[in-house]
This record gives sequence, C-alpha cells and structure tokens, in this order.
Amino acid sequence: GAVVSQHPSRVICKSGTSVKIECRSLDFQATTMFWYRQFPKQSLMLMATSNEGSKATYEQGVEKDKFLINHASLTLSTLTVTSAHPEDSSFYICSAGGGAGGTIYFGEGSWLTVV
Amino acid sequence: EDKVVQSPLSLVVHEGDTVTLNCSYEVTNFRSLLWYKQEKKAPTFLFMLTSSGIEKKSGRLSSILDKKELSSILNITATQTGDSAIYLCAVPSNTGNQFYFGTGTSLTVIP
Repeated sequence: GAVVSQHPSRVICKSGTSVKIECRSLDFQATTMFWYRQFPKQSLMLMATSNEGSKATYEQGVEKDKFLINHASLTLSTLTVTSAHPEDSSFYICSAGGGAGGTIYFGEGSWLTVV
Repeated sequence: EDKVVQSPLSLVVHEGDTVTLNCSYEVTNFRSLLWYKQEKKAPTFLFMLTSSGIEKKSGRLSSILDKKELSSILNITATQTGDSAIYLCAVPSNTGNQFYFGTGTSLTVIP
C-alpha cells in the first residue's frame, strides 16, 4: 500500500517554543492531507484539512494561528505548533489521500511532549 | 449533519471469541466506508467497502456493507490477544476533502 512518512516520531520541546512536524507521501501525490490530534484512548480528532497550494481548512475550535499548516507540494505537508504549551502535548497524526472516495493512508504519528 | 457512529465503544472478550463491531453513517452522497485498526501508533488500513452485500475478507477479519441500513460490520473470528486495538470506521465526504471518523471501538482480548 501507499506509504506516508511522518517525522519526527517523538519530540520534546520547551514551553514557548515552536515545533514542526512533517508529513510526506512517499509514492503517490497527495492532493489532500489531513492533520489529527488524538488523546489517550480516544478517537482521532480532525484538526484541519489541507489541499496542495491553498490555505488549510481548520475545524471549529482549532486555532489556526497556533497550529500552522502548510501544504506546499503534492508530497509534503507540515504542521507547526507555535508557542507550545504543556496542554499541546499529544499524539499528532497526518493522513494523505489522492481523491474523492479513495483510501487515505496514515503517517506513523508524532508524540509531542511540551515541558 | 454528516456523521459516523460506532458501537460498542469498548469490548472485552476472551481469546477464541468472535466479535462484531458496528459502524453506522449519515453522509451525503456516500461513496465508500473504510475500516482501520489502531494499536500503539497510527491506524493501519483494513478494508474499503463500496458495494452493498459484498463481503471483504482478510484472514480472521471480514467486513460487509449494508447501504440500505447505512451501516457496516467488522467481524473478527477466533480472536487473539494481538487483535486488541481500537478499530476505526471512516467515511469520506462527497468531495473527498474530509473524512468522518467514528469514535472507535476499543477491543481488548484477554488470554
């Protein structure tokens, strides 16, 4: 199946700093990428949807200035958590898809710990 | 409002048991339904269902879609401890620009 690579898998940062997470589709062109946040033992919470070359669409309650999403190419999307706080500590997952009704594939996820 | 609902939220069974997980949906212009298994990391793809009544099978796992009932079931026979995971159901929106996820079913298989 298609491969989506997410990096880093784990990151620890200090409160107030920013951290960037990358999501790459390795063997297909991802016209749409999705970013999720997941709390322990809970389902995925969609944060935003990004289409290549356009601004991301954020879900209600997600601060766009805090969670910056860039989808500059068909194979790369990035999520930057700005001015991170301990409550931003979570598991962040990206997924990528190639079109309507198609399968989406998930990255490996990134554990963010803000200390 | 488009949505996907899964049941039960959690399930604890013994090895060897058979389980059935449910997913119901209300999505405009339905195209497909996807099942994922999530263990400690990101979800892994299990099945994509597009046609009603056609069972998809992979080992001890099988799934079927019922478009009339707007639902799908995921069956796992002869469960093993390695089946313990969260099982997620997802339905893409009409445009494919969004995927609606259910809350997931947390399955625990006890030896």
